[in-house]
Amino acid sequence: DAKTTQPTSMDCAEGRAANLPCNHSTISGNEYVYWYRQIHSQGPQYIIHGLKNNETNEMASLIITEDRKSSTLILPHATLRDTAVYYCIVRDNTDKLIFGTGTRLQVFP
Amino acid sequence: NAGVTQTPKFQVLKTGQSMTLQCAQDMNHEYMSWYRQDPGMGLRLIHYSVGAGITDQGEVPNGYNVSRSTTEDFPLRLLSAAPSQTSVYFCASSSYGDGYTFGSGTRLTVV
Repeated sequence: DAKTTQPTSMDCAEGRAANLPCNHSTISGNEYVYWYRQIHSQGPQYIIHGLKNNETNEMASLIITEDRKSSTLILPHATLRDTAVYYCIVRDNTDKLIFGTGTRLQVFP
Repeated sequence: NAGVTQTPKFQVLKTGQSMTLQCAQDMNHEYMSWYRQDPGMGLRLIHYSVGAGITDQGEVPNGYNVSRSTTEDFPLRLLSAAPSQTSVYFCASSSYGDGYTFGSGTRLTVV
């Protein structure tokens, strides 16, 4: 079973920051948090991952709480092309990726 | 650098037929996985491999076989196709600690 809980859907205005929350209260000390997104029926696209420190790359920022029980993916300036399903995944020590149901983000003009 | 290549992109099978979905990666990744995605649903892990010669079952392995004779290839075999196996199949690969790269998918219909 997926180890994460995400809201089913969210809306965001174009140009604003999209903040997508994820709860992973049962995460173990050596398990990473990964974020992917899937646009229409394309293959999922890797966005970012982290262990305990906040991470930033050209696509997004990942904020992980100090107790590691939750995290937030931040898209700083959402565009219409960011409309997708976003998956938060805890990658265990066998390196399996078990997907949950994700958050459907709708960016509107 | 082609990434993860899946063939075929589309396939229609009759119930009871067998076939192999091909997956190849040219990134020398140790980890490879197969997923299926039913309409309106999330991805479910079928089988995965942590290296050549090593495979293990995922969430929904029944009706599928895999082998990993080389680092590059990870074929998925449907032994006797059933309508319940109508789905989109994604292959993915990764190095340890990195994000998985997904292929573009194979859309399979079993009639």
